[in-house]
Amino acid sequence: QVQLQESGPGLVKPSETLSLTCTVSGGSVSSGSYYWSWIRQPPGKGLEWIAYAYYGGSANYNPSLKSRVTTSVDTSKNQFSLKLSSVTAADTAVYYCASTLGYYFDYWGQGILVTVSS
Amino acid sequence: QSALTQPASVSGSPGQSITISCTGSSSDIGDYNYVSWYQQHPNKAPKLIIYDVNSRPSGVSNRFSGSKSGTTASLAISGLQAEDEADYYCSSYTSISIPVFGGGTRLTVL
Repeated sequence: QVQLQESGPGLVKPSETLSLTCTVSGGSVSSGSYYWSWIRQPPGKGLEWIAYAYYGGSANYNPSLKSRVTTSVDTSKNQFSLKLSSVTAADTAVYYCASTLGYYFDYWGQGILVTVSS
Repeated sequence: QSALTQPASVSGSPGQSITISCTGSSSDIGDYNYVSWYQQHPNKAPKLIIYDVNSRPSGVSNRFSGSKSGTTASLAISGLQAEDEADYYCSSYTSISIPVFGGGTRLTVL
């Protein structure tokens, strides 16, 4: 069974770049069957899909965040990453990484709370 | 791409059945059989309970079932149990090749 674990700073200053990593175990990010997604959830609110990456180098982004987001897969470390630039308080959320099989998210990390504050 | 529309809350008594609706458009639910549902307990990660409209992952109770008619998908839960109290989210693939979520529905077991 695939397991995912998010890591990164829990506090980011406004205007800076949020950087998170998701480590995958029990499976390979090089699996041609999977995409690797990032999803966030502001406190008390619903889920928002951010982006997904494929090991071959392709990626797709939520149009509302596209100008600020980059995601990629590191096959050597069996990880994938998220970078969100120019953050504001509106980017405060629990960030989840998830494996994406077909058109659904079958395994999720536990989530990491990232707070944007000076 | 607009979020899918779900009722904010539903409730039911133990043993009863409930249904949660998820309304989209011809650009998402109406055009693709790629609707999924997630259960989220407080302070926990979401868990996949239905995919591809009406398929259940291994280990998910058969009390959970999914369906779709036109631009509306539905999640049915039969034989309500206290442990079913949670937030439920639908998701669909869209015509611009990205997924979109519903706003979420809080299920209260009375």
